[in-house]
Amino acid sequence: GEDVEQSLFLSVREGDSSVINCTYTDSSSTYLYWYKQEPGAGLQLLTYIFSNMDMKQDQRLTVLLNKKDKHLSLRIADTQTGDSAIYFCAESSHQGGKLIFGQGTELSVKP
Amino acid sequence: DTEVTQTPKHLVMGMTNKKSLKCEQHMGHRAMYWYKQKAKKPPELMFVYSYEKLSINESVPSRFSPECPNSSLLNLHLHALQPEDSALYLCASSQDDSYGYTFGSGTRLTVV
Repeated sequence: GEDVEQSLFLSVREGDSSVINCTYTDSSSTYLYWYKQEPGAGLQLLTYIFSNMDMKQDQRLTVLLNKKDKHLSLRIADTQTGDSAIYFCAESSHQGGKLIFGQGTELSVKP
Repeated sequence: DTEVTQTPKHLVMGMTNKKSLKCEQHMGHRAMYWYKQKAKKPPELMFVYSYEKLSINESVPSRFSPECPNSSLLNLHLHALQPEDSALYLCASSQDDSYGYTFGSGTRLTVV
């Protein structure tokens, strides 16, 4: 079945770049998403990429997709303490509306 | 309007109570979802409504009863819940069944 995997923790220093990685198994994935969740809050859509794209950049965020290896990454440039949160990778396909989430990566940004 | 609105934001209920969670969107999205999320875990899909019809029920216990009165509204009726049902309940909507998911900020439910 579909599966999405992420490492659970990442710690970086303020001002450094953060790279959060994700792998998925569903070759029919249509869209891949990155969501951010701060403590006690809902899910905020950060960015998404269509499966026929390799890269997408949006201000400090860069998404890279290697479709052959089914590997997705999110790079946050100049990471700030406000970026501390849990980041979820998710994928969807044209198969009935399911959004499949990874376990989430807890990003800790140290001053 | 680009939001999904959920009410109430917080709810405490006893195991014999009946309550309802509400979700509303005015983006013209035709699919709506209920997810359950425990702390520091990914959201788990509960139900999917597509064009106001229930299309997916992920084997959710019958003490959770979804309802979609119209294309903008989604309810989750709760009855005889257990303490382990305490969680953040998230509503989402999407343009179709694979794109453009927008999440509400959730209802934090505590069952006592």
